[in-house]
Amino acid sequence: SAVISQKPSRDICQRGTSLTIQCQVDSQVTMMFWYRQQPGQSLTLIATANQGSEATYESGFVIDKFPISRPNLTFSTLTVSNMSPEDSSIYLCSVRTGGGYEQYFGPGTRLTVT
Amino acid sequence: AQSVAQPEDQVNVAEGNPLTVKCTYSVSGNPYLFWYVQYPNRGLQFLLKYITGDNLVKGSYGFEAEFNKSQTSFHLKKPSALVSDSALYFCAVRDDNTDKLIFGTGTRLQVFP
Repeated sequence: SAVISQKPSRDICQRGTSLTIQCQVDSQVTMMFWYRQQPGQSLTLIATANQGSEATYESGFVIDKFPISRPNLTFSTLTVSNMSPEDSSIYLCSVRTGGGYEQYFGPGTRLTVT
Repeated sequence: AQSVAQPEDQVNVAEGNPLTVKCTYSVSGNPYLFWYVQYPNRGLQFLLKYITGDNLVKGSYGFEAEFNKSQTSFHLKKPSALVSDSALYFCAVRDDNTDKLIFGTGTRLQVFP
């Protein structure tokens, strides 16, 4: 397993601004993922962030809107750029450790855009 | 395409009674199946997984899940529900084409005292 922390835990932001969310893992992991969970909904994968390579984005998500950094094997950031109220969601990072395919999740960042 | 379905938006059960949260799947290869729980204002917590082996898988907090290949189901169960089990439960399947997890829509479990 892995222990994952996220900062900030929540934020209220003005439209048009940007927010950077940090994800810190207590061990080195190759695969990290960023998800969005809109209120009362399931999880939607935004991108996969592997260290040493560019993030791979899912359909409907673009780098200009959600730039991701992965500078080392324990840390990643997701930026939500030029925010609108539709970006109000919980943003979750997760990691996969070992060969069991299960993922472990951070506590999430609750973003409200006004 | 790989998919997972949770047919119930909400399940209500009295404390002390057995509970079942349903999940069915569709995959092209061998299924890798997972259950997660999300408590209010928290991230997802891994409960258990099935990759191979015994059809009855035991996990955290007294939960277990039964893999049924003929019915393509992976229902989550607990013999005796607790009020503290009230949460949102997600079933997930590994997409063997992309190696990513596909999550169901979630089932809200409400356990009444």
